[in-house]
Amino acid sequence: DAKTTQPNSMESNEEEPVHLPCNHSTISGTDYIHWYRQLPSQGPEYVIHGLTSNVNNRMASLAIAEDRKSSTLILHRATLRDAAVYYCILRSRGTSYGKLTFGQGTILTVHP
Amino acid sequence: ETGVTQSPTHLIKTRGQQVTLRCSSQSGHNTVSWYQQALGQGPQFIFQYYREEENGRGNFPPRFSGLQFPNYSSELNVNALELDDSALYLCASSLELAKETQYFGPGTRLLVL
Repeated sequence: DAKTTQPNSMESNEEEPVHLPCNHSTISGTDYIHWYRQLPSQGPEYVIHGLTSNVNNRMASLAIAEDRKSSTLILHRATLRDAAVYYCILRSRGTSYGKLTFGQGTILTVHP
Repeated sequence: ETGVTQSPTHLIKTRGQQVTLRCSSQSGHNTVSWYQQALGQGPQFIFQYYREEENGRGNFPPRFSGLQFPNYSSELNVNALELDDSALYLCASSLELAKETQYFGPGTRLLVL
């Protein structure tokens, strides 16, 4: 599986935008970029995914570099409920089974 | 729509014992995956079941086994428990094989003494 690299931790203030980076320099053409987050004492939760184009949904935006070697998860206005561990995961298109390979993730702290 | 549920929420066992953890998939989901999450680490894939058949396995020994039932609920069994098996065990379901989104349950916290 191609690897991802994320900062161990980041901090933000409430109601400010947050940009969470992820490097995936060995990404292949068939790898989708997924983001999950894990709130304290809960299981991981799907946030967003994309292949080449930037993606938006009600939770976040995903900005993908033109060479696809990096991506950024954008939370437009952080709230205290966004404090979580954020995981950037690569998943091959056509994978015959649904294995998600989690790294260490980024611990996001949101200050009031 | 009912989400993924797991039972029990917490469990304490002693080394050498056996344990069974249970998972009810989200309604309509026929694929279930199990993950082990040690403290401070990301979840590690154990195996996946699709329509009652194992359909992929991570780097876990055979004493980790599973079942999926016709109603798509699932069990994770661990024999000969070791101290290192202490972890949060997560179950995730998805609508079909390789579908983009996996929905996770809250997990079962297992402590092996």
